[in-house]
Amino acid sequence: EIVMTQSPATLSVSPGERATLSCRASQSVSSNLAWYQQKPGQAPRLLIYGASTRATGIPARFSGSGSGTEFTLTISSLQSEDFAVYYCQQYNNWVFTFGPGTKVDIK
Amino acid sequence: EVQLVQSGAEVKKPGESLKISCKGSGYSFTSYWIGWVRQMPGKGLEWMGIIYPGDSDTRYSPSFQGQVTISADKSISTAYLQWSSLKASDTAMYYCARVVAAAGTRAFDIWGQGTMVTVSS
Repeated sequence: EIVMTQSPATLSVSPGERATLSCRASQSVSSNLAWYQQKPGQAPRLLIYGASTRATGIPARFSGSGSGTEFTLTISSLQSEDFAVYYCQQYNNWVFTFGPGTKVDIK
Repeated sequence: EVQLVQSGAEVKKPGESLKISCKGSGYSFTSYWIGWVRQMPGKGLEWMGIIYPGDSDTRYSPSFQGQVTISADKSISTAYLQWSSLKASDTAMYYCARVVAAAGTRAFDIWGQGTMVTVSS
């Protein structure tokens, strides 16, 4: 079973600043990694798939990188609407696993 | 518009059965896997399983195998998640989501609005 971890659990950032979120897999998942954003009371929204490909309609300030076991989601300049919880998710051999999430809040 | 619309909130007693639904529209329902994801109150996302409505091929998370049943009726573009005997610990928000296959991987690109299930005596 592949276990996903995310750090930090909470990230406090000022609007306009850069945010860097980390996700680690317990074994290699190649580039089978996605990132989601979830705001309170809403369903998750797909941001990144294939580790680095932005989903349709996702602003360019969101970028993903990494492969194997280490992945990063970067938000280049945080906007007010970006304060939310972010989850990574791996896919391997018909099994999906989510990380525990990183909450990005206002500093 | 591509969308998944889920059935409404449910309040049930322990031991009761339940079936919630997820109706797809705006795309070829039989050509995409549909997944179910649980979110317990204040907690993270947990993948439960997926189904391919084209032939009802189903895969379950080991954590949910035997605990729930996932099915689909392609004639009405609807996927289902059901319980035969609910427990208080099944209280959660349940999301359905479409699985997109792209760039050699799979992810959930379209999500339903969620169905809140509350199990309480």
